[in-house]
Amino acid sequence: DTGVSQDPRHKITKRGQNVTFRCDPISEHNRLYWYRQTLGQGPEFLTYFQNEAQLEKSRLLSDRFSAERPKGSFSTLEIQRTEQGDSAMYLCASSLDEGTEETQYFGPGTRLLVL
Amino acid sequence: SQQGEEDPQALSIQEGENATMNCSYKTSINNLQWYRQNSGRGLVHLILIRSNEREKHSGRLRVTLDTSKKSSSLLITASRAADTASYFCATAAIYNFNKFYFGSGTKLNVKP
Repeated sequence: DTGVSQDPRHKITKRGQNVTFRCDPISEHNRLYWYRQTLGQGPEFLTYFQNEAQLEKSRLLSDRFSAERPKGSFSTLEIQRTEQGDSAMYLCASSLDEGTEETQYFGPGTRLLVL
Repeated sequence: SQQGEEDPQALSIQEGENATMNCSYKTSINNLQWYRQNSGRGLVHLILIRSNEREKHSGRLRVTLDTSKKSSSLLITASRAADTASYFCATAAIYNFNKFYFGSGTKLNVKP
């Protein structure tokens, strides 16, 4: 399968614990995005990388959230001291820089439940 | 906010009928894209329409864009039960075209 993959697919954790999610983009894609999606809503942009550089972060990304893409390939999203409000689907997408008409390809998501 | 808003929020039709969903947005865009999401899964890209295009077709999909009204519509013709999913429009701003803003989606149910 050459699509975007995410791991784990589901995560249940207790409030206050740290969690880390991984995203493996399509191999030749240089851009990688993280979104958060709550029930009944569309995805909300969190952050994106061009190669290994994190170029933009949403105000939704509090200081408890950190994302990395150390070698410009896979990316991790860590949430520290999780809160119940962090419960959501975390989606990763990747794209190839094609000027103004890029299409983002999404992974299956990681569903987080904070108890 | 530039977030798109889809209308209706939910749509239920019989197999074989056409389904139309609409998207409105607030600011100038570079392009608009439609995505489908099956329950609990990731999003699948359907079609992209540029800001200088008015209509685009792909198989059973027809998308229109009216930049003067800041709105788009997605028509699915001859719907099938497998089309049951949520449909989202995503707008790419002129000044930040790789940062997508998604609407809250239209939940389509196609009854066999």
